[in-house]
Amino acid sequence: DQQVKQNSPSLSVQEGRISILNCDYTNSMFDYFLWYKKYPAEGPTFLISISSIKDKNEDGRFTVFLNKSAKHLSLHIVPSQPGDSAVYFCAARGGTGNQFYFGTGTSLTVIP
Amino acid sequence: DVKVTQSSRYLVKRTGEKVFLECVQDMDHENMFWYRQDPGLGLRLIYFSYDVKMKEKGDIPEGYSVSREKKERFSLILESASTNQTSMYLCASSLDENYGYTFGSGTRLTVV
Repeated sequence: DQQVKQNSPSLSVQEGRISILNCDYTNSMFDYFLWYKKYPAEGPTFLISISSIKDKNEDGRFTVFLNKSAKHLSLHIVPSQPGDSAVYFCAARGGTGNQFYFGTGTSLTVIP
Repeated sequence: DVKVTQSSRYLVKRTGEKVFLECVQDMDHENMFWYRQDPGLGLRLIYFSYDVKMKEKGDIPEGYSVSREKKERFSLILESASTNQTSMYLCASSLDENYGYTFGSGTRLTVV
């Protein structure tokens, strides 16, 4: 059973506009969340994180919001740039080994 | 910068062959992981290891085994490759459970 879900497999946004990528999880014991970005033929690279004790974390153009009651997190990219075009994975930490569970990914295309 | 190196970018193997995927990290990380990435399924954990000679099953261990004889090296073994093991395989390492993962560039395995 998928404990972390990204229900939108793809998203297209105009350059300069906001990109919002969503992620839902089922386990209320998850305590740490990450977003990764992946280009084709490369491994995922860490983008931004948030602890369950916070509801927002910002790093430049990237902001992650966490709504614990809804078990939902989102990644906002403002302004979006063509170089942001990639697959984005959210990940949540928990479970017996404290490993990370990954979502299915959302492919973002930023149109120039 | 932590580097995680996977020995092959592309591999083509025949059904029934024994396949070894090698992963080496250079930052003395305790934890190492093997994932496979498939369209629509995201990243799924195959095996992980928290220490030398230690291994734990992930979500989809069937048909795979692993070896960690040295801290820096984590090998994934396909005992008898099958076509449904055609996938992108990603190795990752982390310092401990409080840190996110550093991924290798991946190995695209095709089993014919």
